[in-house]
Amino acid sequence: EPEVTQTPSHQVTQMGQEVILRCVPISNHLYFYWYRQILGQKVEFLVSFYNNEISEKSEIFDDQFSVERPDGSNFTLKIRSTKLEDSAMYFCASSGGSSGNTIYFGEGSWLTVV
Amino acid sequence: GESVGLHLPTLSVQEGDNSIINCAYSNSASDYFIWYKQESGKGPQFIIDIRSNMDKRQGQRVTVLLNKTVKHLSLQIAATQPGDSAVYFCAENSGYGGSQGNLIFGKGTKLSVKP
Repeated sequence: EPEVTQTPSHQVTQMGQEVILRCVPISNHLYFYWYRQILGQKVEFLVSFYNNEISEKSEIFDDQFSVERPDGSNFTLKIRSTKLEDSAMYFCASSGGSSGNTIYFGEGSWLTVV
Repeated sequence: GESVGLHLPTLSVQEGDNSIINCAYSNSASDYFIWYKQESGKGPQFIIDIRSNMDKRQGQRVTVLLNKTVKHLSLQIAATQPGDSAVYFCAENSGYGGSQGNLIFGKGTKLSVKP
C-alpha cells in the first residue's frame, strides 16, 4: 500500500538552528500538507501546498516556516531559526489523485529543540 | 468559535465488546468528517470518512454516524480487539478534501481494550 514517508524520524537541534524536515508524498497525489502535534495535544494544521504554491496556511505558519517541493517527489518543511516551542511531532500528509480526497499521513518527524 | 471536540477523553472496553466514540462539532458549514486512529509514536491512520449528505457509512468493523441536527459524529467499532487500542481523533473540513486540507482535529479519545 502506498504511503507517505518522512525523514528524519527524530531530530534534536539547538535553539536558533535551521531544520529541514523531508517528506515523500504518495506518488500520484497532488495536494501536500504539514501538520504538527505538540506532545499530548491535538494535531494542528500548518500549511497546504498545491501546484507549487501554498494554498492555505495557519497562524502557526509564520515567517520562520517555509515549504518547498524541490523536485518531483520530495516535499520539505524548513524552520529557519528554531525555538523551544517548535518541539513537536511534524506530520506530512498528501491527498488527491487516484485515492480521491482522503488525506494520508506519514509516521511523523519528532523534533526536539534544546 | 469553530471547534471539534470529544465528549469522553478515555474509553475502556472489554475485548469483543462494541465501542462507541463520540465527537461534537460546532461549524455547521463543515461538510466532510474523518476518523483517524493514532497509535503511540505513529501518524494518524485513516479509518473512515463521511460527507454531510450522508448520515451513516460502514466499513470493515467500523461504522460512522453523522447527526447534522445536533452536530454529532460517532465511530462504532464492532467486536473490539486489543489492536484497536489507540487514540481516536475526529476531524472536520469545511471543504471536501482536495485542496481543503485544513483539517480541524479534536483532542482525541483514548481507547483501551482489556483482554
